[in-house]
Amino acid sequence: SQELEQSPQSLIVQEGKNLTINCTSSKTLYGLYWYKQKYGEGLIFLMMLQKGGEEKSHEKITAKLDEKKQQSSLHITASQPSHAGIYLCGAGAGGSNYKLTFGKGTLLTVNP
Amino acid sequence: DTAVSQTPKYLVTQMGNDKSIKCEQNLGHDTMYWYKQDSKKFLKIMFSYNNKELIINETVPNRFSPKSPDKAHLNLHINSLELGDSAVYFCASSQQTGTGELFFGEGSRLTVL
Repeated sequence: SQELEQSPQSLIVQEGKNLTINCTSSKTLYGLYWYKQKYGEGLIFLMMLQKGGEEKSHEKITAKLDEKKQQSSLHITASQPSHAGIYLCGAGAGGSNYKLTFGKGTLLTVNP
Repeated sequence: DTAVSQTPKYLVTQMGNDKSIKCEQNLGHDTMYWYKQDSKKFLKIMFSYNNKELIINETVPNRFSPKSPDKAHLNLHINSLELGDSAVYFCASSQQTGTGELFFGEGSRLTVL
């Protein structure tokens, strides 16, 4: 089964700093999804990457997909306290859209 | 309007009891899911239904029985609750031929004492 490894597991940054979260897959990526979870809430979809080299942005969050490396990175520029939460990457297994496997998440804390 | 709603949000019960969690989506999606998030925040799929038909069952104990009366509802019934069942259970939905964008409910935190 596909496994997604996220790094770092947790991250504490000062407001205004940039940061990067990585997600590496044990198998070929057919699509990579980034979600954000705030404490006590469900997951919020951020963006989806499907093609190698693809890069997408959502406000100050940018994600890239390196298909050859089976890896995606999420970059936050000029972090704000509102960016705090758990970031999870998810990938479809074997090209199926029905089953999304998630990484263990990266807990981001942004200190004002 | 809440897109995916789950009830109850919190559930505290004794070992051995039977409990249910309900989920409803008003997005018109064909596919619904149940995910379990354990104490380490690891989110793992349990079941998936497409148009009321079970399409994914991830080696979940038989004590867990999902039921989909129609494509807008997916309920989760748990028999003989065990301590290890304590977790947050998330319901989600997506379009049948969608892009993998799942819409999640806010979760139901189950605590088994």
